[in-house]
Amino acid sequence: GAGVSQSPSNKVTEKGKDVELRCDPISGHTALYWYRQSLGQGLEFLIYFQGNSAPDKSGLPSDRFSAERTGGSVSTLTIQRTQQEDSAVYLCASSPTGTGLYEQYFGPGTRLTVT
Amino acid sequence: RKEVEQDPGPFNVPEGATVAFNCTYSNSASQSFFWYRQDCRKEPKLLMSVYSSGNEDGRFTAQLNRASQYISLLIRDSKLSDSATYLCVVNVNYGQNFVFGPGTRLSVLP
Repeated sequence: GAGVSQSPSNKVTEKGKDVELRCDPISGHTALYWYRQSLGQGLEFLIYFQGNSAPDKSGLPSDRFSAERTGGSVSTLTIQRTQQEDSAVYLCASSPTGTGLYEQYFGPGTRLTVT
Repeated sequence: RKEVEQDPGPFNVPEGATVAFNCTYSNSASQSFFWYRQDCRKEPKLLMSVYSSGNEDGRFTAQLNRASQYISLLIRDSKLSDSATYLCVVNVNYGQNFVFGPGTRLSVLP
């Protein structure tokens, strides 16, 4: 079946511009996660959605970052007024439930470069 | 103390070698444990879940020691294609549910 998809695969933007990154999770998966990974670094948790519950935004680095998930499916991560330090790969993952008992499935990521 | 810690690496081993990675976790309530591999510039992919009794998948063996709160991954007869970063992942009973270790990089040399 279809896996997690993300778009765009690459995004180059100028400092100060806003960007939107999209994630389509696996159909039926209730849990959705956003991470970012800078070159040579580990995964940094950003935000987590589980069903209709309020999202866990504890990982968002600043108020320039926001995310929404519409209809319990597609999610959009928005970065406003991008900065060079926002350059990273943004990874989305989904999981069948929000219990943490089942593995996550990752999308291929969006490589964001802020010039 | 970090929630999930791994061998710092990198590990450089010749083809055919046996290599073991260790991972420790701090949350004694954790119930699920996983090993992922991440190839350079790719997304993490599940290698194997780790079960209480230990489990094996071909050349890979995972062990869990709840009393000592550590997980191990053993790779036998290393192949060049095993070169990757190995991520230890532990579930926690709050918020985001999963905590990733920093990863251990493995290079299998010809």
